[in-house]
Amino acid sequence: NAGVTQTPKFQVLKTGQSMTLQCAQDMNHNSMYWYRQDPGMGLRLIYYSASEGTTDKGEVPNGYNVSRLNKREFSLRLESAAPSQTSVYFCASSEALRVTLYNEQFFGPGTRLTVL
Amino acid sequence: AQSVTQLDSQVPVFEEAPVELRCNYSSSVSVYLFWYVQYPNQGLQLLLKYLSGSTLVKGINGFEAEFNKSQTSFHLRKPSVHISDTAEYFCAVSGGYNNNDMRFGAGTRLTVKP
Repeated sequence: NAGVTQTPKFQVLKTGQSMTLQCAQDMNHNSMYWYRQDPGMGLRLIYYSASEGTTDKGEVPNGYNVSRLNKREFSLRLESAAPSQTSVYFCASSEALRVTLYNEQFFGPGTRLTVL
Repeated sequence: AQSVTQLDSQVPVFEEAPVELRCNYSSSVSVYLFWYVQYPNQGLQLLLKYLSGSTLVKGINGFEAEFNKSQTSFHLRKPSVHISDTAEYFCAVSGGYNNNDMRFGAGTRLTVKP
């Protein structure tokens, strides 16, 4: 039982390049999330997927796209990377389908992305 | 929408001393409150959560937190810290009908010194 896995662990991009961050969970969770973590700002939600086939914008969605490929996988794509997207990216998942239930999230180890 | 304020960005303490990490939240609806810990170069792990019921919540590693609705606070405490408690701690709030996201505070870096 690996929990939440993310690939790659590290990535360096040039401005304008594109890439996809991969995330998978093996806990049969319904909801999945992408966050970015910047110094002094905590975690900010980029996009989330409450269930397979649905995605919604979070607090900072600009410059990103997501795909909920199936129940296990949720990818984050940067179409044209910018230096402002240098950050640590965390994927998370939770069992809750609706937040009238508690919404404990389980996090992956993170992807450290640098955009030059 | 809800929000979270962690009042201290850094808290240095000596080993075996007590510690309190402060968290205040704002929300117009009922909330669920969480404390997560992040050790260096790792993802976040849940320490404890408040969903309902008793306002004193006990978590892992000897931590506890008290939900105070009138003060809109959820402070984290430990009576005696260890070197291994050195980490970043995040308070988070989630909840409300049809609100499927969690808001995190900026984090408090706890440094335990020998």
